[in-house]
Formats: sequence, C-alpha cells, structure tokens
Amino acid sequence: DAKTTQPTSMDCAEGRAANLPCNHSTISGNEYVYWYRQIHSQGPQYIIHGLKNNETNEMASLIITEDRKSSTLILPHATLRDTAVYYCIVSANYGQNFVFGPGTRLSVLP
Amino acid sequence: NAGVTQTPKFQVLKTGQSMTLQCAQDMNHEYMSWYRQDPGMGLRLIHYSVGAGITDQGEVPNGYNVSRSTTEDFPLRLLSAAPSQTSVYFCASSGQESSGNTIYFGEGSWLTVV
Repeated sequence: DAKTTQPTSMDCAEGRAANLPCNHSTISGNEYVYWYRQIHSQGPQYIIHGLKNNETNEMASLIITEDRKSSTLILPHATLRDTAVYYCIVSANYGQNFVFGPGTRLSVLP
Repeated sequence: NAGVTQTPKFQVLKTGQSMTLQCAQDMNHEYMSWYRQDPGMGLRLIHYSVGAGITDQGEVPNGYNVSRSTTEDFPLRLLSAAPSQTSVYFCASSGQESSGNTIYFGEGSWLTVV
C-alpha cells in the first residue's frame, strides 16, 4: 500500500471549515483514499473514502486532486466534538490491510 | 445492530499468564483483523483473516495466535503475556463492497501486563 503524509497537528475555530490535507504521491491506480478518525482512543471511525472523484456524505467532503497524488478532507462546520486524530489511508480494494500512520491531531477551538 | 464487539474491555494480566481477547461481528464480513495501538502511536496490524479457516500474520505477530473457525468470530490469544504487550487492542472487520472495502472497528480492549 502507498504511504501517506499528513501534518502532525492542526487547529480550527469552532463553526469554521476544517481542511485536512494528505499527500499520497505513490498511490496506485487501484488504491482508494480512506479517511478515519479516532476520538480519545476509541475505535477508529470511518468518515469517507473515494477513488478519483470528489465525494460527500453527511460527515465530510473528500477532494482528490486530478493526478490523485493528494487529497483534502473537509469538515464543513467543525464542532468541539470533531477534535480527534484523523488518519488518511490508501488501500486497494477488498482484503487489503490498512497501514495507519501517526495521523493529524485536529483541535477544534471554541 | 452490534457491529464489531470486543470483550473484555479492560484486563490486567501478570507476566507469563495467557488469555484470549474475543471479537465477534454480525455483518457477515469475510475479512477480520486485530490491531494494537501503543500510547501516541498509530495502529499496527497483528494478524488478519480473509475467511473462515484462513489466517495470516501482520506487522507484529510475535506472541499472539489467532484462529478463525467461523465467519463471525476471530479470537486473539496471548500465549505468555509480557509487559511489552501492554496496549489497546482493536478488532476490525470488512466485507466485499462494490467500491472500496470500508473497515469497521470495535471499541477496543485495554490490556495491562504487570
């Protein structure tokens, strides 16, 4: 699986959009981009994933660059409960194991 | 809708003791795995299974055994607990989907070896 690079930490004001970048310059054509988050050492929570098109769900939006070498997770209106470690993972379809890096520690500030 | 269920949530062991962490999923997923997470670190894969009767090693398998006799259950056995195995353990499962393979995690089992 391709490696990812994320900033160690970020701050965001409550109510503002949080934009979390991820670099995955060695991504293969069959690898998806996944985003998970982990709050207070709970089990990682799935947020969103995509292959090459931008994706949106009730939690977030995922913007993938045209060359697929980077992506951005957008939390449109961050709340204090969004404070967590966010992991960007790239993995091929089915049966592939996820490799977790250190992630980005997002702090949403009041 | 239970998802992935892990037991126990907390456990203290003495060095040399053995124990089994239980994991069950009710989503009929073929793929299951165990991760450990040490303080301030990301998750590391211990063992995984792509179906009943099939298991394989992950990144950090030493000191652990697994078996997969049913689709639903994937227990993790610590053979002779060591302080280095003090960690939080997460079980996960995934089914084959049309786009991507979203992995669902349990809530974790906190293990302390003294």
